[in-house]
Amino acid sequence: GAGVSQSPSNKVTEKGKDVELRCDPISGHTALYWYRQSLGQGLEFLIYFQGNSAPDKSGLPSDRFSAERTGGSVSTLTIQRTQQEDSAVYLCASSLAGRSSNQPQHFGDGTRLSIL
Amino acid sequence: GENVEQHPSTLSVQEGDSAVIKCTYSDSASNYFPWYKQELGKGPQLIIDIRSNVGEKKDQRIAVTLNKTAKHFSLHITETQPEDSAVYFCAAKGGTYKYIFGTGTRLKVLA
Repeated sequence: GAGVSQSPSNKVTEKGKDVELRCDPISGHTALYWYRQSLGQGLEFLIYFQGNSAPDKSGLPSDRFSAERTGGSVSTLTIQRTQQEDSAVYLCASSLAGRSSNQPQHFGDGTRLSIL
Repeated sequence: GENVEQHPSTLSVQEGDSAVIKCTYSDSASNYFPWYKQELGKGPQLIIDIRSNVGEKKDQRIAVTLNKTAKHFSLHITETQPEDSAVYFCAAKGGTYKYIFGTGTRLKVLA
C-alpha cells in the first residue's frame, strides 16, 4: 500500500527565500510528526499533530518555522527567510495514534533541503 | 530530560558475523522500543519493535532484547550480509506521543 509521501525530494534555494515542504501521511493515520536530520546526525523532533488537537510545536527551532495540517491529512512545513543552518533532511512520519497507543511510526524518504 | 544513548556509533563486521547495537533509556515510563534501519537517501524503516511486557523478540536474523530493570535494550543481527549495511536507530516511547531517538549506529558489513 501507499506509504508516507514527501515532496519535493530535493530542494535547493537561496538564503533568505521561503520554502514549503509537503507531507502526505498514510491514509487513516491520525498522528503526524516532523523531524529534522542534519548530516550524519539523529532525528530532531520539530512538531506533532494528532487529529484535531492543537499541535505540539515545542520542537520548532525558531519563529521562522511553522507547520499546518489541513483536514487532518496533508501537512506542510514552511521555513521563512531560510538560513544556511536550515540545510538538512526534513522527515515526516505518521502513525495510527499518538499518546497512549504504541503504534510504530512510518517515515517518508524526506526532503533534502540545501540553502546556498 | 528524557534521553536515549546508543552505542557504538560505528560498527564494522565481517560478512556472516553477528552485530550487536545497544541502547540505554532514562525514562522509566518508556514501554515501547522500535528499531529503524536507514539506508542512504531513504527514510528510516521499522525493522523490529518490542513492548515492555516481553523480554525478547525475534524475526529471522534479527532479535531485540529488553532489560527493564537496567533500562537497556539491544538489537542483534546474526549472519550479517552486505545489504545489512546501513544506519540503525533505536527509540523509546512512554506514555506520551514523543519518540526519543538514539544517535544512530553506522553498520558496515565487509564482504
